Amino acid sequence: DQQVKQNSPSLSVQEGRISILNCDYTNSMFDYFLWYKKYPAEGPTFLISISSIKDKNEDGRFTVFLNKSAKHLSLHIVPSQPGDSAVYFCAAKFGTSYGKLTFGQGTILTVHP
Amino acid sequence: AAGVIQSPRHLIKEKRETATLKCYPIPRHDTVYWYQQGPGQDPQFLISFYEKMQSDKGSIPDRFSAQQFSDYHSELNMSSLELGDSALYFCASTQEGESGNEQFFGPGTRLTVL
Repeated sequence: DQQVKQNSPSLSVQEGRISILNCDYTNSMFDYFLWYKKYPAEGPTFLISISSIKDKNEDGRFTVFLNKSAKHLSLHIVPSQPGDSAVYFCAAKFGTSYGKLTFGQGTILTVHP
Repeated sequence: AAGVIQSPRHLIKEKRETATLKCYPIPRHDTVYWYQQGPGQDPQFLISFYEKMQSDKGSIPDRFSAQQFSDYHSELNMSSLELGDSALYFCASTQEGESGNEQFFGPGTRLTVL
């Protein structure tokens, strides 16, 4: 039962344009959402997160939007850079303290020069 | 800054052998999580420890066991290895009570079972 879903296996974007990665979840009890970036042969690296009490969080070129009623979140990268090419995982957890992460399947982002 | 250290980075074992994976969390982090990522799959939670006590358990086979030691490092012990155990094993750590909630991941151990 995939509780966190990233329905786009891959996304290709031109350098300088916006990248939009989407994520849907089924469990309304999730309280906290995170985005991780992963390069080959490395562990996931934390990018940005959002609490369920917010609908937007911004950090530099990265913005995460949360639509609780639709159980949907998205990561916007503006402007996209070739170095952003990686696998992006959406993750969710219960509570705002410790707890396991439930991951989506990942989206491969390729940013072309 | 210090990161999560995992050893070994690569491990090749035969079926029915045993394997031990080690994880050294970021200094002052008291919570460790183990995840398994199969080929083309998302990371799946196995088990976690907080202050040396098991705090949560996921889809970890009975053939696997883990513990967290007094210095907060953790070991994942895997016995009677099967071909399907071939995967990337990630360890992540965090400091409970700190704001942010993000887990910091190590580079992973790639286990290949032949």
